[in-house]
Amino acid sequence: DTGVSQDPRHKITKRGQNVTFRCDPISEHNRLYWYRQTLGQGPEFLTYFQNEAQLEKSRLLSDRFSAERPKGSFSTLEIQRTEQGDSAMYLCASSFWTGDEKLFFGSGTQLSVL
Amino acid sequence: GDSVTQMEGPVTLSEEAFLTINCTYTATGYPSLFWYVQYPGEGLQLLLKATKADDKGSNKGFEATYRKETTSFHLEKGSVQVSDSAVYFCALSIGNYGQNFVFGPGTRLSVLP
Repeated sequence: DTGVSQDPRHKITKRGQNVTFRCDPISEHNRLYWYRQTLGQGPEFLTYFQNEAQLEKSRLLSDRFSAERPKGSFSTLEIQRTEQGDSAMYLCASSFWTGDEKLFFGSGTQLSVL
Repeated sequence: GDSVTQMEGPVTLSEEAFLTINCTYTATGYPSLFWYVQYPGEGLQLLLKATKADDKGSNKGFEATYRKETTSFHLEKGSVQVSDSAVYFCALSIGNYGQNFVFGPGTRLSVLP
């Protein structure tokens, strides 16, 4: 069990550029979540996968955001045409649902949009 | 909608002091309740949980009891240590499969030697 890993740890980009983040969950976990966290706030739900199916998306997730989880393993979160308001920590979490939910979080990707 | 409210921080205590961090929630249905902790430079990790009314979650000397009548899940520890300095997040999960997590804003705890 190597834990949830996220890449990159930090990303600095200019407004209008596209960025992509990757999350590798714990290998046997079938659920994968993306959250966004800004300074002084708790994580805000963005989207959730069960295996390869994206089952739920937050209203916070504009059409500039897209997430995929091909083959139910790693996941990518892409933000197109970044805006300064997208600057935040993007967190990935995974779990193996057995009716006893427990999220395991990665360390996050810190995005700064200049 | 579903929400979690926590006492505002930062909270600063001396070592061996008693800790309480208040948490209340609003939810439709019967959520599970959690406390997550985030140490400096690390990801969030589960501290304790309770899945039904009157359940007590405990771990590392921390405790919290699921109080349905007051919709609360206050975190307590009898004697804090410097190593407990972190940000603490109260959270609930709800949904048919417990998949919808809602987090509070977090409470920063600093413990001084």
